[in-house]
Amino acid sequence: QVQLVQSGAEVKKPGASVKVSCKASGYSFTSYDINWVRQATGQGLEWMGWMNPDSGNTGYEQKFQGRVTMTRNTSISAAYMELSSLTSEDSAVYYCARGRGAGRLPRGSDYWGQGTLVTVS
Amino acid sequence: EIVLTQSPGTLSLSPGERATLSCRASQSVRSDYLAWYQQKPGRAPRLLIYGASNRATAIPDRFSGSGSGTDFTLTISRLEPEDFAMYYCQQYGDSPRGFTFGPGTKVDIK
Repeated sequence: QVQLVQSGAEVKKPGASVKVSCKASGYSFTSYDINWVRQATGQGLEWMGWMNPDSGNTGYEQKFQGRVTMTRNTSISAAYMELSSLTSEDSAVYYCARGRGAGRLPRGSDYWGQGTLVTVS
Repeated sequence: EIVLTQSPGTLSLSPGERATLSCRASQSVRSDYLAWYQQKPGRAPRLLIYGASNRATAIPDRFSGSGSGTDFTLTISRLEPEDFAMYYCQQYGDSPRGFTFGPGTKVDIK
């Protein structure tokens, strides 16, 4: 079955960076985009960007441009999201989610990781 | 960037009742690339509807989506106890500028 398993909770100081991992299984990792979404406590969902694991191409929400980097390691079917220059406003749960399949029409994000809590304090 | 507005903010209903949730876009959503998600506290979102009206895998048929262009609706025909949750719409047609979410509608028990 399709699974996305994320790394554990992180506590970071302001100004630091955090790197969250997302390990995929149960499907061909390079055949589907990975989206990253975050959610501050008690708030709504915020889309951060996408990555194509096959090409490495990325697209970032303008708000995060210059501060976010999405990468992958295809040999272990893992995606990564690194966010730098952290402030307290970045404290949130960060989710990875499977996106568009190669050669397919987009269908939103059909499988999600369990979330990674990042606390900036 | 496309901005999504959801209404109402909170919907208070009883089990068995019909729920109608609205999602309005600031400009037309390309190819009706509009999805609906359900989220329960402490859990990841769950895809319900994609392409405005297509149910995702294993989603019960009491959930239905409709609409096009800038106005979209999620209908839950008869609320089950497990349906009380937050619901978000998302447009994913505005690549590369962004796949924005609406602010959400909370469906709670009356």
